[in-house]
Amino acid sequence: KAGVTQTPRYLIKTRGQQVTLSCSPISGHRSVSWYQQTPGQGLQFLFEYFSETQRNKGNFPGRFSGRQFSNSRSEMNVSTLELGDSALYLCASSGGPEAFFGQGTRLTVV
Amino acid sequence: AQSVTQLDSQVPVFEEAPVELRCNYSSSVSVYLFWYVQYPNQGLQLLLKYLSGSTLVESINGFEAEFNKSQTSFHLRKPSVHISDTAEYFCAVILNEGDYKLSFGAGTTVTVRA
Repeated sequence: KAGVTQTPRYLIKTRGQQVTLSCSPISGHRSVSWYQQTPGQGLQFLFEYFSETQRNKGNFPGRFSGRQFSNSRSEMNVSTLELGDSALYLCASSGGPEAFFGQGTRLTVV
Repeated sequence: AQSVTQLDSQVPVFEEAPVELRCNYSSSVSVYLFWYVQYPNQGLQLLLKYLSGSTLVESINGFEAEFNKSQTSFHLRKPSVHISDTAEYFCAVILNEGDYKLSFGAGTTVTVRA
């Protein structure tokens, strides 16, 4: 059974640009959540999608958005990038309360 | 308010010694509890989970954790650590049964020395 796949693994972007990250969950899982991990703030919840609907949202500005497709794949988008958006972005796939994480996308904003 | 508190940010330990990582959560309702491990430059791996039933849960690599509802704790223990256990460990909870949002502790870095 394939795990959670996140692409790309690494990204370098310039301030002001936008970025799209992709996550393919485990087959059969309908929930995809996104988390931001930074040394200063730790692991913070961004949002959760379940069957193409946003079910929960964390406390992030509107520059952070996401969506989920009918095949459960999810994307998150960050517009107008700031230096503080540099982080490891983790996607989690859930078929129940247990969450299985991808390897993450390391975003560096310069 | 902090949902999950990991009381130790760094835990150095010698190989083959026991280790305990402490985790307390703030909730008056039933929750789901988890421990995750993260190795450098990798994602999170699920180590243990408490969903219901027996309050003592064990992993395949020798870790165990006990759910204590009265003390709202879910401490992680291993009787004898290996060098390969060097990693960061995160305690996490789901506070609402209606969704899968995880609230994480700040993490505990375990460094195992020979």
